[in-house]
Amino acid sequence: GAGVSQSPSNKVTEKGKDVELRCDPISGHTALYWYRQSLGQGLEFLIYFQGNSAPDKSGLPSDRFSAERTGGSVSTLTIQRTQQEDSAVYLCASSLGTKNIQYFGAGTRLSVL
Amino acid sequence: QKEVEQNSGPLSVPEGAIASLNCTYSDRGSQSFFWYRQYSGKSPELIMFIYSNGDKEDGRFTAQLNKASQYVSLLIRDSQPSDSATYLCAVTGGYQKVTFGIGTKLQVIP
Repeated sequence: GAGVSQSPSNKVTEKGKDVELRCDPISGHTALYWYRQSLGQGLEFLIYFQGNSAPDKSGLPSDRFSAERTGGSVSTLTIQRTQQEDSAVYLCASSLGTKNIQYFGAGTRLSVL
Repeated sequence: QKEVEQNSGPLSVPEGAIASLNCTYSDRGSQSFFWYRQYSGKSPELIMFIYSNGDKEDGRFTAQLNKASQYVSLLIRDSQPSDSATYLCAVTGGYQKVTFGIGTKLQVIP
């Protein structure tokens, strides 16, 4: 596709369940970022990938959060044992090269009941 | 210590006026500077980027960079109600992580 694709667009889950969020970056983009945005708040950095490796995981809130990227393309963000405070919009962005212009997906809105 | 600082606002300007949005950053090694616009309920979209000291103009938008003062600004001329959004400043150094500010909410009053 032409842009960054995220799925699902909306996810409603029960507290304690695991969820997987997917990001398909722009073809050829080497860097991929995950952010979280709670209602009315700024972007909270979670993790970024350069190729398949993650130089910076410092934003992951707890060990319930993990992410992987395979083949330098698709990335999956997994949240285990979801809590109500995990409810937010999860945004993915990809970029190419040192200029690092980020292109964002439409996000996944996660609601934990 | 916050790495990219912005006033969260809201910044209110009348229609037709110039809106001035400001951002400071802490990492002197930063090389690339961006302004993103985010409408409520939408994803951020890039509106300007600047790499060199000075001004860069694109239509009604002008980005200004002063590396010595570690300061980036965005001017919006002839502000329109459709410019009402949150404006995010972002900074990076090459292949390093992009760091975003909290964003400034702009309200253009008709």
